[in-house]
Amino acid sequence: EVQLVESGGGLVQPGGSLRLSCAASGFTFSSYSMNWVRQAPGKGLEWVSYISSGSSTIYYADSVKGRFTISRDNAKNSLYLQMNSLRAEDTAVYYCARDLVRGIPDYWGQGTLVTVSS
Amino acid sequence: EIVMTQSPATLSVSPGERATLSCRASQSVSSNLAWYQQKPGQAPRLLIYGASTRATGFPVRFSGSGSGTEFTLTISSLQSEDFAVYYCQQYNSWPWTFGQGTKVEIK
Repeated sequence: EVQLVESGGGLVQPGGSLRLSCAASGFTFSSYSMNWVRQAPGKGLEWVSYISSGSSTIYYADSVKGRFTISRDNAKNSLYLQMNSLRAEDTAVYYCARDLVRGIPDYWGQGTLVTVSS
Repeated sequence: EIVMTQSPATLSVSPGERATLSCRASQSVSSNLAWYQQKPGQAPRLLIYGASTRATGFPVRFSGSGSGTEFTLTISSLQSEDFAVYYCQQYNSWPWTFGQGTKVEIK
């Protein structure tokens, strides 16, 4: 069974940093590209970042470019999102999602809530 | 950035009735269009991809159609478990973008 479990969310002050992790199991992690997608409270979905299976291709939304860094460790079956210079508008549930093919996430974690507030 | 616009924002439907949801892209996305279902407190779930291919686990009452800029999700006979928010998403070009969602509620 495919499982994606996010961790690392919490309350952080504006300007602060957090590192999200996503532990993957039930599939060959190194064969799949991965994504972070977020959802602000009561709002819609926003793609944050994409990383290919071998980390050769990485994309960021303009809203996070230069502040967030996506990475993965295929040996540890883990996906990461380093978030720096956090802003109130970054407050959201952050989902880790596996790609069926590029751009089509077929499995999603349950999400981790990031709250940016003083 | 391709803007995805869904209509209506809310659709009130009685169980057993047909529901038709629309999604429009600001420029052509070919057939690179997916639909997701999201229930309260849950992660989104892939429903349709390639504009018309049903994902694993969804029954035949769900169907997708369209290409280019106009797309439709049809639920032929709504069941209680189908009341949810539905999002369309284009993956033709980065940044991949979602519509704002259509909430299907019980009439």
